[in-house]
Amino acid sequence: GDSVTQMEGPVTLSEEAFLTINCTYTATGYPSLFWYVQYPGEGLQLLLKATKADDKGSNKGFEATYRKETTSFHLEKGSVQVSDSAVYFCALLYSSASKIIFGSGTRLSIRP
Amino acid sequence: GAVVSQHPSRVICKSGTSVKIECRSLDFQATTMFWYRQFPKQSLMLMATSNEGSKATYEQGVEKDKFLINHASLTLSTLTVTSAHPEDSSFYICSARDQANTIYFGEGSWLTVV
Repeated sequence: GDSVTQMEGPVTLSEEAFLTINCTYTATGYPSLFWYVQYPGEGLQLLLKATKADDKGSNKGFEATYRKETTSFHLEKGSVQVSDSAVYFCALLYSSASKIIFGSGTRLSIRP
Repeated sequence: GAVVSQHPSRVICKSGTSVKIECRSLDFQATTMFWYRQFPKQSLMLMATSNEGSKATYEQGVEKDKFLINHASLTLSTLTVTSAHPEDSSFYICSARDQANTIYFGEGSWLTVV
């Protein structure tokens, strides 16, 4: 079946470091891919999305490219800040489907 | 961007009582809404999918008589936890799907049953 696999956390980085959070997926069709961010004690916020192969989603300095050949949607940011500390969820959704499939989440902690 | 609002954000109730959580899509019509439960430091667990005007579809293991879901309009879904017990204490999150097939989440509701 369809699934999403994220790198296990926690990931701890120093401020201004380069960030990569890996996400790979298994899908029988052509889903849309999403990254959501959850700050402590809050709900999920949509960070970025891509709806087809080679699309790049970007927001707040974060980027992710929909790679069909490697079935990946890795999240990157060139210079992280303490305020980026949160849990990040990768997810996929088919346009015809009734539910979104999440990865297990990756906790990111940024040291000042 | 689209906004989904949940209310209340925090609620404390006594064991044996019922509590209702509302989920509203503020600037779009949501034919489908989802309810999740999240345990500390864990991912979201889908409880049920709610379609406007029809019965909710519950995930395996979720008691439909305990977690009543109503989706009476295109902008409102409610989750009622009936006869709550301390083990029902959790973070409950709703989400709504817009016409562009993007899912937006509410802010979440902390339920504490004492």
